[in-house]
Formats: sequence, C-alpha cells, structure tokens
Amino acid sequence: DAGVIQSPRHEVTEMGQEVTLRCKPISGHNSLFWYRQTMMRGLELLIYFNNNVPIDDSGMPEDRFSAKMPNASFSTLKIQPSEPRDSAVYFCASRQTGSTGELFFGEGSRLTVL
Amino acid sequence: SQQGEEDPQALSIQEGENATMNCSYKTSINNLQWYRQNSGRGLVHLILIRSNEREKHSGRLRVTLDTSKKSSSLLITASRAADTASYFCATDGSGQNFVFGPGTRLSVLP
Repeated sequence: DAGVIQSPRHEVTEMGQEVTLRCKPISGHNSLFWYRQTMMRGLELLIYFNNNVPIDDSGMPEDRFSAKMPNASFSTLKIQPSEPRDSAVYFCASRQTGSTGELFFGEGSRLTVL
Repeated sequence: SQQGEEDPQALSIQEGENATMNCSYKTSINNLQWYRQNSGRGLVHLILIRSNEREKHSGRLRVTLDTSKKSSSLLITASRAADTASYFCATDGSGQNFVFGPGTRLSVLP
C-alpha cells in the first residue's frame, strides 16, 4: 500500500493566488482529515470527512478555505485568496470510518505564501 | 483549545539513556495515542492505550495511563539516535476527530 499521498510536497506562491492541495487516502479508509501544522499553533484539525461527507469543518479558519471530497479516493483543500499567514504544513490523514484506531498521515504539503 | 499537553517541550539525552515524556489532558477520553514525527515528515502512529488500560508495551516503548490524573507517559528505553523526533499525544475529541498536543522534541545525542 502506498499510504496517504499528498501533492504538491512544496508550494511557494504569492499573496492573493489560489492554492489547491490534494490528497489520496489509503484505499478502504472512509474517514479523511485535514490538519495544519505551524510552530505557533501546533497541529490543528481543519476539517474531516466520513464517507465523502464533511462532518466537522469548525476548524476551517475562514471562508477563504474550502475542502471537497468528490469521491472516496480524492480530496482537495483550496485557499483562495492565499495570505502570508496561511504559510504552514498541511497534512492529510485517513483511517477506517468508525475506527478509534490510528490515523495514517501523508508526508504533508509545505505552503509558503510570500 | 488543545486537549493534550506534552511535557517537557524539549528533551535532550545521550544514546542508551531512557526518555520519558508526559501528556496531560482535560476531559474524559476513550483512548489516547502517541505519534512520532521526524523532521520534515508526516506523523507516524506508535501506540494506542484505551481508557480501561493502565500500561501497554511495544518493543522499547512503554505507555502508562492514569485516568484519575488525566495523564499519560511515554517511556523510550535504551534510546538511539534514530529516536530523535517530535512526539505527540492525541486524545479523541468530539465525534471521531483527534486533538494533538504541541509535542515534545526529543534529541538523542550519539
């Protein structure tokens, strides 16, 4: 199994530009999570999906952030327009729905907004 | 607000020594997990301990849980340079999400 796959691994963009981060969860995992990691705030849950349906998006910072999961094997996190304070590492994680077990993380997408 | 808080924030030890990290949390939990993160990488699950368990072992890892004190500890015995990483505890929050603490940065010096 290839694990959770995220792209791009690194993104450098200018303020105001649209950013799209992508995630492919592990096959068979029906829960998908987006986290953001910064030095100041640590790991923050942004949103999570069960069976492609957003369950809790209370962690999404503001309307500039949106996430979709059109099917069980793909999710996107979009920031439009991006701002320098969005600079962070964004992680996607998955696990089997209903499980209280481990989360499987991708390697993250490091975003730098200039 | 974060559910778990690790202590210490940073720990530096010599290879071969034991490393102990602590985690405190605020509300009742069903289980608690520990994860490791190497620099520039994603988090990797280490061990899960359920609320009705008091101690669990996995290789050189030993985890304890004291629900009365709302605390857990992770012990790494006979540490190696490869154990250098950040370690996070995670508790199950509302629904099925997990809330992570700020982590402990462990440095194991050769």
